[in-house]
Amino acid sequence: DSGVTQTPKHLITATGQRVTLRCSPRSGDLSVYWYQQSLDQGLQFLIQYYNGEERAKGNILERFSAQQFPDLHSELNLSSLELGDSALYFCASSVGASWQETQYFGPGTRLLVL
Amino acid sequence: GQQVMQIPQYQHVQEGEDFTTYCNSSTTLSNIQWYKQRPGGHPVFLIQLVKSGEVKKQKRLTFQFGEAKKNSSLHITATQTTDVGTYFCARYTGGTSYGKLTFGQGTILTVHP
Repeated sequence: DSGVTQTPKHLITATGQRVTLRCSPRSGDLSVYWYQQSLDQGLQFLIQYYNGEERAKGNILERFSAQQFPDLHSELNLSSLELGDSALYFCASSVGASWQETQYFGPGTRLLVL
Repeated sequence: GQQVMQIPQYQHVQEGEDFTTYCNSSTTLSNIQWYKQRPGGHPVFLIQLVKSGEVKKQKRLTFQFGEAKKNSSLHITATQTTDVGTYFCARYTGGTSYGKLTFGQGTILTVHP
């Protein structure tokens, strides 16, 4: 158990819909990272937040957005969902913003878009 | 450009045999990280290498960073069934605190008892 929690564990929805994935970092961690893992694209970095502010952006689509709240939990919003958005979405956290710090991954949310 | 290529994609071994996965880049890497993901699980950080020629060991796992910092390897001695999973390498690109991790495609290791 990494100490990072993600809800829900599974999500099934239809194309065109919008969903919100939630992540609570380890106690004391200020950075939250979001990743997408799919069979064809592998594990891809989406976005990082540090202490409430966006820190780094990866291959995140415009239909996706994220935020980090004052209590440091984070939400990833996926809208206008397409079949290709079906994937595992992981959240990770670290103490600070530096890449030298270990990232601890949560158990993931498995999204299925039908 | 910033991709890291991992080989092999799959590896099947008998328990007790050794296993090696390689991570290669066409450009110089400032660092390389290794992760393990068990089937149905999440990636778990194993180690980070930053120095040319660096070798680090964790019990039966040996991690190496090439002299030219363009490749890295993970070697497992005498595999056990608990070693089953996907091993990823990842490179960091960006500044000291602003950037992203780019993961290789991973090597899926199967260990037959």
